[in-house]
Amino acid sequence: SAVISQKPSRDICQRGTSLTIQCQVDSQVTMMFWYRQQPGQSLTLIATANQGSEATYESGFVIDKFPISRPNLTFSTLTVSNMSPEDSSIYLCSVPGGAGGRGTEAFFGQGTRLTVV
Amino acid sequence: AQSVTQLGSHVSVSEGALVLLRCNYSSSVPPYLFWYVQYPNQGLQLLLKYTSAATLVKGINGFEAEFKKSETSFHLTKPSAHMSDAAEYFCAVSEGTPGGGNKLTFGTGTQLKVEL
Repeated sequence: SAVISQKPSRDICQRGTSLTIQCQVDSQVTMMFWYRQQPGQSLTLIATANQGSEATYESGFVIDKFPISRPNLTFSTLTVSNMSPEDSSIYLCSVPGGAGGRGTEAFFGQGTRLTVV
Repeated sequence: AQSVTQLGSHVSVSEGALVLLRCNYSSSVPPYLFWYVQYPNQGLQLLLKYTSAATLVKGINGFEAEFKKSETSFHLTKPSAHMSDAAEYFCAVSEGTPGGGNKLTFGTGTQLKVEL
């Protein structure tokens, strides 16, 4: 399985500011995914980070609020912009398993626990 | 469109008793199905997966799940619960496309409590 490192593991931020979350994988993968887990709820896919092209966002999520970078095949960042308390969540990075990221399963980082005050 | 329904947001069992966590799915194409476990303040760990091979799938920590197409179900079981099994469990579905099937749709989760 892939080893995924997310930074920071947690943060407390002031409303109106932005936070950039980093995701580093120990192997090259074609796609990386960002999920949000709001308090007491399940995971919702925010976007798919594609290397060399713009991220693909799911319904309800927009690039201005959640800009994503994917400079290479092992790294991605998610920025939560102009934060409000409603953005308080756990944000998780995910990558496909298997050789070259072509497997059927997904592996997850430890998550970034964000609290907006 | 795909969806997953987990019946029972909270399940409580005695240590040594059978664990049964229910999951029903909806998918317009043959699905890939997964169970993940999340311990407090941790990320998600893959327990097991179904990808159209054997319908009875064995996973880690003694868990297994059976894919039943006629019932659109993928229930998770463990014969004997252990205190360390207390966690939140998520069922998830993805489209059955190798290499492209990692966009997961999750159920709402089931919190498993194990009592002495």
